[in-house]
Amino acid sequence: GAVVSQHPSRVICKSGTSVKIECRSLDFQATTMFWYRQFPKQSLMLMATSNEGSKATYEQGVEKDKFLINHASLTLSTLTVTSAHPEDSSFYICSARGHSSTDTQYFGPGTRLTVL
Amino acid sequence: EDQVTQSPEALRLQEGESSSLNCSYTVSGLRGLFWYRQDPGKGPEFLFTLYSAGEEKEKERLKATLTKKESFLHITAPKPEDSATYLCAVQRYAGNNRKLIWGLGTSLAVNP
Repeated sequence: GAVVSQHPSRVICKSGTSVKIECRSLDFQATTMFWYRQFPKQSLMLMATSNEGSKATYEQGVEKDKFLINHASLTLSTLTVTSAHPEDSSFYICSARGHSSTDTQYFGPGTRLTVL
Repeated sequence: EDQVTQSPEALRLQEGESSSLNCSYTVSGLRGLFWYRQDPGKGPEFLFTLYSAGEEKEKERLKATLTKKESFLHITAPKPEDSATYLCAVQRYAGNNRKLIWGLGTSLAVNP
């Protein structure tokens, strides 16, 4: 149980284009989803938190107009990197948390974004 | 300020050589402490949640313990497949969507 998928697993795009990453909870309802960014050999950096049906809450320093997050259903959240630039190249990981009181976040496999 | 510190930063063991990883924390009102394992190029895999001092949890060769100031992840007779980065995170009771505060991880390498 508690499986989270991400798609695509890897994407290469040209500078200036937009990229959408999907995060799905496959066997539970995710009331809250989180989006992280991870640089090589560093820990996870939380970008934003989204609750189903509500606007995402962004961490300080994260541009909400650049990183658009939508959490339209209890099983799907999307992250769109708009007008991507090479400095946006990174490993993006989502996690999902359900109704359970354990508060455990279950992570997707991650998406490697490379902007040329 | 809430903080999580993991040590050592890196650890190299021989297969079968038991050891412990440390996660020390300062947080006002601990709701839970989480251990994850992360393989290169993959998302973190959930291992344990600990809620109160004195609590212990086990899974195969791993055992996690918790005190009021720190948590240990004990690895008994490790195998090469236990090689990974082990991440510790804490969660406060109040506010901020109960987000996790992360340590920088311990990179474990187990040699055959």
